[in-house]
Amino acid sequence: AQTVTQSQPEMSVQEAETVTLSCTYDTSESNYYLFWYKQPPSRQMILVIRQEAYKQQNATENRFSVNFQKAAKSFSLKISDSQLGDTAMYFCAFMKQTNRDDKIIFGKGTRLHILP
Amino acid sequence: DAGVIQSPRHEVTEMGQEVTLRCKPISGHNSLFWYRQTMMRGLELLIYFNNNVPIDDSGMPEDRFSAKMPNASFSTLKIQPSEPRDSAVYFCASRTGEWDTQYFGPGTRLTVL
Repeated sequence: AQTVTQSQPEMSVQEAETVTLSCTYDTSESNYYLFWYKQPPSRQMILVIRQEAYKQQNATENRFSVNFQKAAKSFSLKISDSQLGDTAMYFCAFMKQTNRDDKIIFGKGTRLHILP
Repeated sequence: DAGVIQSPRHEVTEMGQEVTLRCKPISGHNSLFWYRQTMMRGLELLIYFNNNVPIDDSGMPEDRFSAKMPNASFSTLKIQPSEPRDSAVYFCASRTGEWDTQYFGPGTRLTVL
């Protein structure tokens, strides 16, 4: 069974700093997707970034980028020039690339506070 | 696009009452997912549908929970009878295609007294 582990329950950084959120996962699959979702106080789950496992290039979305290490089964999220609006719960998630199992497995989340 | 729509946004009910949560997926999406989020257990998948057909309901806690998707634009999650331990935020998400991203609704915060 697949598992997703986020080892940092909570983090705080100053505005404009760079912060990295850790995520590791366990799977025997070779083809899969990885995601980072953001859940602000409004509770809405918002996709931040996604990565296909077959792609070696790390995904980037504006100030958000990932460090995908397939061999190490690591998928960290880097937020550059952090802003107050980045304050949220961040979930790392895994999905197998197969039509027999479309479920996303979520980690427990990391609560990120951006301090003014 | 309106995104995934859920109703109600908040529901407060008493133990033993029937609760029905509703979801309208994004038009054109053919997969729909129901999740429950609690502090203790995090985000759990309850059930998901492909083309209106339930594919995996192994996450449904017990027989008190049931879900239906009568057509491509509407799904319900029903709890009967409700219990205080059912208090949680319930999310609906939808997706198009088999490999694409899930888009979440705003959630329904359920409180069972």
